Amino acid sequence: QSVLTQPPSASGTPGQRVSISCSGSRSNIGRNPVQWYLQFPETAPKLLIYSDNQRPSGVPDRFSGSKSGTSASLAISGLQSEDEADYYCAAWDGSLNALVFGGGTKLTVL
Amino acid sequence: EVQLVESGGGLAKPGGSLRLSCVASGFTFVNSDMSWVRQAPGKGLEWVSSITDTSSFIYYVDSVKGRFTISRDNAKNSLYLQMNNLRAEDTALYYCARLRGPSIAAGAMDVWGQGTTVTVFS
Repeated sequence: QSVLTQPPSASGTPGQRVSISCSGSRSNIGRNPVQWYLQFPETAPKLLIYSDNQRPSGVPDRFSGSKSGTSASLAISGLQSEDEADYYCAAWDGSLNALVFGGGTKLTVL
Repeated sequence: EVQLVESGGGLAKPGGSLRLSCVASGFTFVNSDMSWVRQAPGKGLEWVSSITDTSSFIYYVDSVKGRFTISRDNAKNSLYLQMNNLRAEDTALYYCARLRGPSIAAGAMDVWGQGTTVTVFS
C-alpha cells in the first residue's frame, strides 16, 4: 500500500479536461513539494510537474499541478490520445526520511 | 546530450549480491544529487535511495536499509548501488535519476536512465 493515494484509473475523451488526485499527509504533501511523473509502457518515467505546479521546459501547458493542504492534483486539459500513460505523484516524507510515490494512475483516452 | 546509463543488472540468487552502476554525461555530475528508483514487474515506482552531491547525506527506503549501499565517484561521473543479501522482492527494473532542487526533500528527478534489470530467483 502506497503512502500517497491515487485512483488506479482515470479516463476521458479527446479534448476533455481530466484531473488525477493524490492524497497524503502532513509529513509529506503537507510539508514538501509535490512532483508528478508520467510513464509510457516500457519507457523510463518523465518529470511532468515539480514544486507543486512548475512545468519543466518542454512540458505543454495543458498539464498543470496544484496543491491544497495534504492533497495534490494533476490536471490535463485538451486531452489527447498520446496522453494515455501511467501518472505518478511523489513527495518527500519528513517523518520517514524517504521519497514516497503514489501507486500510479492509468489514464485511458477513450 | 544529458544522459544516464545504468549497468550491472542480472540474475542473482537469494542472499547474493549485485553492484549497479550509473554513468552520467552531458551535465555537471559533481553538483548533482542523485537517486535510485525501482519498478517491480507490473508494479508502480518505488524510491530506493538518494545521495547528495558530496555524499554528505544518504537516505534509503526501509526495506533496503542494512542491505543496499549507495555511493558515487564524482571523478568518474558515476553512481553506484551495492546490493547485498538480495531477496526475491528486490526483483525490479532499477533506474538512476538526477535530482534537481535546493535539497533532497525539495528535489525532483528530471533526468532518468533507461534502467537495468535485477532478477532474484532460486
